[in-house]
Amino acid sequence: GAGVSQSPSNKVTEKGKDVELRCDPISGHTALYWYRQSLGQGLEFLIYFQGNSAPDKSGLPSDRFSAERTGGSVSTLTIQRTQQEDSAVYLCASRQEGTQYFGPGTRLTVL
Amino acid sequence: GENVEQHPSTLSVQEGDSAVIKCTYSDSASNYFPWYKQELGKRPQLIIDIRSNVGEKKDQRIAVTLNKTAKHFSLHITETQPEDSAVYFCAASKDNAGNMLTFGGGTRLMVKP
Repeated sequence: GAGVSQSPSNKVTEKGKDVELRCDPISGHTALYWYRQSLGQGLEFLIYFQGNSAPDKSGLPSDRFSAERTGGSVSTLTIQRTQQEDSAVYLCASRQEGTQYFGPGTRLTVL
Repeated sequence: GENVEQHPSTLSVQEGDSAVIKCTYSDSASNYFPWYKQELGKRPQLIIDIRSNVGEKKDQRIAVTLNKTAKHFSLHITETQPEDSAVYFCAASKDNAGNMLTFGGGTRLMVKP
């Protein structure tokens, strides 16, 4: 079946602009995660959605970052007033009973 | 919270040799330990995982060992091939469902032909 998909694959924006990144999880997966991966670095947890529960936002680096998950499926990560240090690959993952499956990521470049 | 340390950060081996990557974790309640492989420009993919009720698990050329007392686990790749070249991430979770994974910093493995 279809895996996790993300869009856009690449996003170039100017400092100070807002961006929205989209994640389509695997159908039926109740858990969804956002991670950030800076160049050559590890995976930094950002936010976690599980079913209808309140999301775990403990990894969001600042109040410029927010995420929504509508209808328990698609999720959008929004970064307001982007800064150059926000440049990274943003990875989404969905999970059902154990394994987290990652999407291809969105490479964000803030000029 | 949980802290996962991974070593080495880079590893270069000759094709056919074995490679070992080690991770330590801080939270003794952790009981699920997956390993992900990320090829250049690709998404991380699960290659093997182990739960705390076993000490070793094998899948062809890949094995993972777990020492709960010492709070460390290792990935072993035998008969390495150039296609094994990638970044490998270990992770730990406190629940067997893998709800919240804490990742290590990654190991860049280079297999020289």
